[in-house]
Amino acid sequence: ELKVEQNPLFLSMQEGKNYTIYCNYSTTSDRLYWYRQDPGKSLESLFVLLSNGAVKQEGRLMASLDTKARLSTLHITAAVHDLSATYFCAVDIEPTSYDKVIFGPGTSLSVIP
Amino acid sequence: EAQVTQNPRYLITVTGKKLTVTCSQNMNHEYMSWYRQDPGLGLRQIYYSMNVEVTDKGDVPEGYKVSRKEKRNFPLILESPSPNQTSLYFCASSRVGTKNIQYFGAGTRLSVL
Repeated sequence: ELKVEQNPLFLSMQEGKNYTIYCNYSTTSDRLYWYRQDPGKSLESLFVLLSNGAVKQEGRLMASLDTKARLSTLHITAAVHDLSATYFCAVDIEPTSYDKVIFGPGTSLSVIP
Repeated sequence: EAQVTQNPRYLITVTGKKLTVTCSQNMNHEYMSWYRQDPGLGLRQIYYSMNVEVTDKGDVPEGYKVSRKEKRNFPLILESPSPNQTSLYFCASSRVGTKNIQYFGAGTRLSVL
């Protein structure tokens, strides 16, 4: 069964702390996406990781991809309240010519002052 | 402004009454997709389309239909809605080939009584 798992599902952290969200997937894929969703809002793209070893950074967020381990991480550095949101990872399914996308269940992050 | 527009944003209907949720994008994207979001399940892909007249099933296509007669539009049709289709629906679009990010609409909250 094709699965995308995230860990943890819920995360409460203090401002200024560091933490990592993990995304494991069960299919062969070298395309992984991270999205952010604020409560009651739509999804916003954060990162697209297109190859093994890819690392992307934007502000306090850094994402990486290890296709051999089928693992992506989203690292949060010195968290601030504005990062409170739900974060989703998603993968394209391979091998296939179709762009079928599987999302993880999401990690709900609360950053507490 | 680049955007994906869904209508309506909110809809309450009764079992068996056919409905259509429209989706339109102004970015000339080839790829369009429909997702439903349910608590604890993340986003699940319903249908997607690689281009005009090319559509395929996602993970949860049962009870839904789509069409892609024009590049900009990708309506989602529920021929006979049932209560288990009560959900938050998102339309998304992107380019293909370079595996660009998906742009999401604002969402449609559907309640089927």
